[in-house]
Order: sequence, then structure tokens, then C-alpha cells
Amino acid sequence: EVQLVESGGGLVQPGASLKLSCVASGFTFSDYWMSWVRQTPGKTMEWIGDIKYDGSYTNYAPSLKNRFTISRDNAKSTLYLQMSNVRSEDTATYYCTRARIRGTTGWFAYWGQGTLVTVSS
Amino acid sequence: DIQLTQSPSSMSASLGDRVSLTCQSSQGIGNYLSWYQHKPGKPPKPMIYYATNLADGVPSRFSGSRSGSDYSLTISSLESEDTAIYYCLQYDEYPYTFGAGTKLELK
Repeated sequence: EVQLVESGGGLVQPGASLKLSCVASGFTFSDYWMSWVRQTPGKTMEWIGDIKYDGSYTNYAPSLKNRFTISRDNAKSTLYLQMSNVRSEDTATYYCTRARIRGTTGWFAYWGQGTLVTVSS
Repeated sequence: DIQLTQSPSSMSASLGDRVSLTCQSSQGIGNYLSWYQHKPGKPPKPMIYYATNLADGVPSRFSGSRSGSDYSLTISSLESEDTAIYYCLQYDEYPYTFGAGTKLELK
């Protein structure tokens, strides 16, 4: 069974940094593109970015590219999202997702339960 | 960026009704559109991919269709468990983009 478990969320002050993790199990992590998606309290869904199965390539939403970095450790089956200089508008639930087909990017067939990030002083 | 416009933003329907939700793309995305069902406290659930394909485990009362740049998610006979927010996502071109969602409630 595919499982994605996010962690690292919590209350963080504006301007701080935060690193989210997503531990994957039930599949060969190093075979799949992975993405981060977030949902704001206002229910807006936003794609943050994705990373190729071998970690060699990343894509980002232009509005987040300068502050967010996606990485992965295939030996640990773990996906990361490094957030820097966070703002109140980054308050959201962050989801780790997996593409359906090995070796390709695309729609999000599997989702983690999400981790809540609240940016507030 | 590709804009996806979902309509209506919210709607209410009765049990057994046929319901159609629409997602219009600002430019051509072929069939690279998927639909997600989101209920409070749960992760989004994939419903449709490649515009018309049912995701694993999705009941057959759900279907997806396309007419030009308009994409639809149809529920043939509404059940109480179908109340949720439904989002469309285009994955034809980076950055991937979501629609604003349609909130579906029971009348």
C-alpha cells in the first residue's frame, strides 16, 4: 500500500525558515516524480513544484521559486520542502503527492494526509 | 500560466440528481486534466485523470468528459457521500494549475 506521511509543520514566525518532510513507503520511491501541493485556509489549491525521480530536475510555481526548494533523499525514501522567509500567506496545509506512472510526471494519484503550517507572530 | 475557471463556485442538489461541474481552460491542454474530491480533514481524492478516465476505486456514477476547452465532471445520481469540494487540475504545462473549486452540497 502506498503511504505518504508528511511532518514538520507547525507555528512559525514570519521571516523564518521551515523544512517539511514526507516519508514514502509501499513503492520504489526512486522510480517516481514527487510533488508538493498546498491548500490555504480559504480553500485555494496551489501546486508548489515537483522533482524528478532521481532528483536531477525540479520545477516550481514561479511565485514560490525564490523561497521554496524541493529535494529528495532516495536512500531514505524521503521528500523535502525547504521554506524560507515565510509569510502569512504561506499558512496552509501542505501535501506530498506522487505521480501515477513510474518515470513520468503528471497528475497526483496519491496524497499524504498533509501537514499544517501556520505563519504568525 | 494556464487559468482554469470552474463553474459554478457552489451548488446544491438533491439525492439522485444528475450533477455536472465544469472546468474551462484558458488555453489548450489536450486531455491533461484531472479532477479531485476534497472533504474536510482528508486529503484530496483523485477522481478522473486524462479528462475521461476513472481513477482507481471511484464509483461508476462519476464520469469525465471534454468539449473543446470545457471539461466536465458528472455524477449520474447524487449520493450523500458525494458532498465535497471538487477541483480540476491541468498538468499539460508547467506550472500546473488548479481551478478555484466547486462546493457541492445537498439540498
